[in-house]
Amino acid sequence: NAGVTQTPKFQVLKTGQSMTLQCAQDMNHNSMYWYRQDPGMGLRLIYYSASEGTTDKGEVPNGYNVSRLNKREFSLRLESAAPSQTSVYFCASYSGTSNEQFFGPGTRLTVL
Amino acid sequence: GQSLEQPSEVTAVEGAIVQINCTYQTSGFYGLSWYQQHDGGAPTFLSYNALDGLEETGRFSSFLSRSDSYGYLLLQELQMKDSASYFCAVVGGYQKVTFGTGTKLQVIP
Repeated sequence: NAGVTQTPKFQVLKTGQSMTLQCAQDMNHNSMYWYRQDPGMGLRLIYYSASEGTTDKGEVPNGYNVSRLNKREFSLRLESAAPSQTSVYFCASYSGTSNEQFFGPGTRLTVL
Repeated sequence: GQSLEQPSEVTAVEGAIVQINCTYQTSGFYGLSWYQQHDGGAPTFLSYNALDGLEETGRFSSFLSRSDSYGYLLLQELQMKDSASYFCAVVGGYQKVTFGTGTKLQVIP
């Protein structure tokens, strides 16, 4: 089992550029999440998906879009990157059996 | 909405016991979780409490009082490797998981 995988691991963008962060899980979990973590801060929920075909806004959704492509994959898109979006982005999935979130390794994004 | 409060920093001596508190306000509540995160790493799961009381897992224990909207994580026999950030998180409806701002624990010799 690979668990939760994210690509890319690192990315540098210029202001106004767009990109998609990819996330996949192989644990057959229904729920998936995108968080951002700024230096010395907690994890803030951007979007989550309780099941295939559904997505909901979290605390900080502005400037982001998501797609739950299928049960395995949940992508995060920045349409027009801004320096305020410089952060570490974590994808996670949730086991309803153990009530445990599993996190990917993170994507370190810098917007210049 | 949801809000969770934790102390920002705690320092404790190796071998000692430390308690990290978490108070929460939430519009929907199913349980309280705790996660550990080392610098540069991803969060990893420690515990989950859905009911009032104490759950013990090795050196770590977690407590929940639903009536007080309060929980804590207890770390015993502290080791240097326990130096990390610890987050409480509320699990709400539709498995929405919201994190607190985290507590940075420094273990000193």
